[in-house]
Amino acid sequence: AQSVTQLGSHVSVSEGALVLLRCNYSSSVPPYLFWYVQYPNQGLQLLLKYTSAATLVKGINGFEAEFKKSETSFHLTKPSAHMSDAAEYFCAVRRGGNQFYFGTGTSLTVIP
Amino acid sequence: DTAVSQTPKYLVTQMGNDKSIKCEQNLGHDTMYWYKQDSKKFLKIMFSYNNKELIINETVPNRFSPKSPDKAHLNLHINSLELGDSAVYFCASSLTSGGETQYFGPGTRLLVL
Repeated sequence: AQSVTQLGSHVSVSEGALVLLRCNYSSSVPPYLFWYVQYPNQGLQLLLKYTSAATLVKGINGFEAEFKKSETSFHLTKPSAHMSDAAEYFCAVRRGGNQFYFGTGTSLTVIP
Repeated sequence: DTAVSQTPKYLVTQMGNDKSIKCEQNLGHDTMYWYKQDSKKFLKIMFSYNNKELIINETVPNRFSPKSPDKAHLNLHINSLELGDSAVYFCASSLTSGGETQYFGPGTRLLVL
């Protein structure tokens, strides 16, 4: 079965510091992987996706993620955190057809 | 110009009642979904429709019945509401059933008292 695991349900960083949100996947075939962001009281918004092209994927708002097959990881990073980045972040994998499975989410707090 | 819209945004009701949540997308997508997000933010797919046909039906109580009158609309009807149904319900759509990016609505916050 394909699934994703997000390590750390809560991450706090200082404004201007590096953001690193971890996601590991389990998949028997090359996966399609996604990162979504959910701002308070809003729906999910796509940040970026990996679809077996370039392993380093750039998304919106300065975020990027690197697909590492050897580590079965797809960690999300941003060089410098901004207060507006405070939100819930979800890693997701597409499992056959259009079934998406989401991780349990990581809540990012940015400290001024 | 909201791409995926849901109504109502908030829904507070008593146990045992029947309620419906509506979803509409103006993106011209073929596939629509319902997800349930619990209090711990866990997001789980419930149903998926492709061109008005049910293609995903996860293990969900049969009190939940989706209806798709056309491919732009996917409504969710819930009978005999229970306390455990309290959650945020998200509608989403994608261009086809091939697993492209899903676009989410703003969510419907359901509270069953």
